[in-house]
Amino acid sequence: QKEVEQNSGPLSVPEGAIASLNCTYSDRVSQSFFWYRQYSGKSPELIMSIYSNGDKEDGRFTAQLNKASQYVSLLIRDSQPSDSATYLCAVPQGGSEKLVFGKGTKLTVNP
Amino acid sequence: EAQVTQNPRYLITVTGKKLTVTCSQNMNHEYMSWYRQDPGLGLRQIYYSMNVEVTDKGDVPEGYKVSRKEKRNFPLILESPSPNQTSLYFCASASGPEGTQYFGPGTRLLVL
Repeated sequence: QKEVEQNSGPLSVPEGAIASLNCTYSDRVSQSFFWYRQYSGKSPELIMSIYSNGDKEDGRFTAQLNKASQYVSLLIRDSQPSDSATYLCAVPQGGSEKLVFGKGTKLTVNP
Repeated sequence: EAQVTQNPRYLITVTGKKLTVTCSQNMNHEYMSWYRQDPGLGLRQIYYSMNVEVTDKGDVPEGYKVSRKEKRNFPLILESPSPNQTSLYFCASASGPEGTQYFGPGTRLLVL
């Protein structure tokens, strides 16, 4: 059973701060990594994907990948109350077509 | 508009009464999946399909069936629902497991 682990949270940060969300995975063969955001009562939606070691930036969001450490993180700069949601890490499993999600980290940004 | 639709959105049923949740996508995606989401357990894949007539088990397939007779449709069947299948269910479609997953609006199921 391949695992995707996220810091359990909940995570609370003040408006304007940097929120840091972490994810580790057990499948060394995995090549792609995804962060989804899920607002309460809504469906998950993709916010970032990353495939190569290093950083990938998209607006206020930065995904960081370290395949040697099997670690992927999401940084949200200048956090806004509208960023309050549950963030899900997703990792397709190498050698199969399964997609495994972490349990999610609930983020609250306080005004 | 590109979308994944699910029906019904809410369903209350009784133990043992067969039910089907429909899922349809209009994006010509090859890959479709069903997930259940439970508090503290996150989003878990039930079944997935790589193409028509090709389906495979996810991490929690027990008590569920699926079929993929057409590319756009991927129904989830509970032959004999039990209370432990009370959950929020999502259908999703994508070009593949490494593509962006587009989720349906969810089906909230209560089995009494």
